[in-house]
Amino acid sequence: GENVEQHPSTLSVQEGDSAVIKCTYSDSASNYFPWYKQELGKRPQLIIDIRSNVGEKKDQRIAVTLNKTAKHFSLHITETQPEDSAVYFCAASDDNQGGKLIFGQGTELSVKP
Amino acid sequence: DGGITQSPKYLFRKEGQNVTLSCEQNLNHDAMYWYRQDPGQGLRLIYYSQIVNDFQKGDIAEGYSVSREKKESFPLTVTSAQKNPTAFYLCASISPRDSAHLSNQPQHFGDGTRLSIL
Repeated sequence: GENVEQHPSTLSVQEGDSAVIKCTYSDSASNYFPWYKQELGKRPQLIIDIRSNVGEKKDQRIAVTLNKTAKHFSLHITETQPEDSAVYFCAASDDNQGGKLIFGQGTELSVKP
Repeated sequence: DGGITQSPKYLFRKEGQNVTLSCEQNLNHDAMYWYRQDPGQGLRLIYYSQIVNDFQKGDIAEGYSVSREKKESFPLTVTSAQKNPTAFYLCASISPRDSAHLSNQPQHFGDGTRLSIL
């Protein structure tokens, strides 16, 4: 089955710097890759997603890139702010698997003022 | 998301007791999912249901049971067979597959239930 590896597990940056979180997946049939942000004790919230027919997607300070050949995708946050501090999860799913998401282990991002 | 309601927010289980976590959605979503989250870890799929009266095991189904008698509801029972139930449980739902684009849709999560052992 699908396996998703996420790195790093913790990331600390200064306010205004960029942050990059990387994920690799094992199942070449996976074609949907969402990213979630989870603040302490709260629900995961979708922040951006990408489908396999697209190589890059941007939404203001957030971007995701996908390399299907290498089976990895990355989250890029520019001009980080303290409120970006949270745990970020990547996930992958296959169109034919009933929407099942396989999650990475999470990255705890800390943005220092 | 306001359309997915989980209850209770906190739940305590005694030794040998079964407990049921509620998940209700008013989004008209077909598919619903239960995940378990342990501290410092990702989400692991327990069970999921793509349609009423049907459900499938996820990666960690042992010690859990579900039912899907109504589209809106997908309760999870943590049985006494689950020896380490302490975790944060999250319910999610997904809108029907976009048949025009044959693509998955994002999952929307409830606020979660934190289960502990007494």
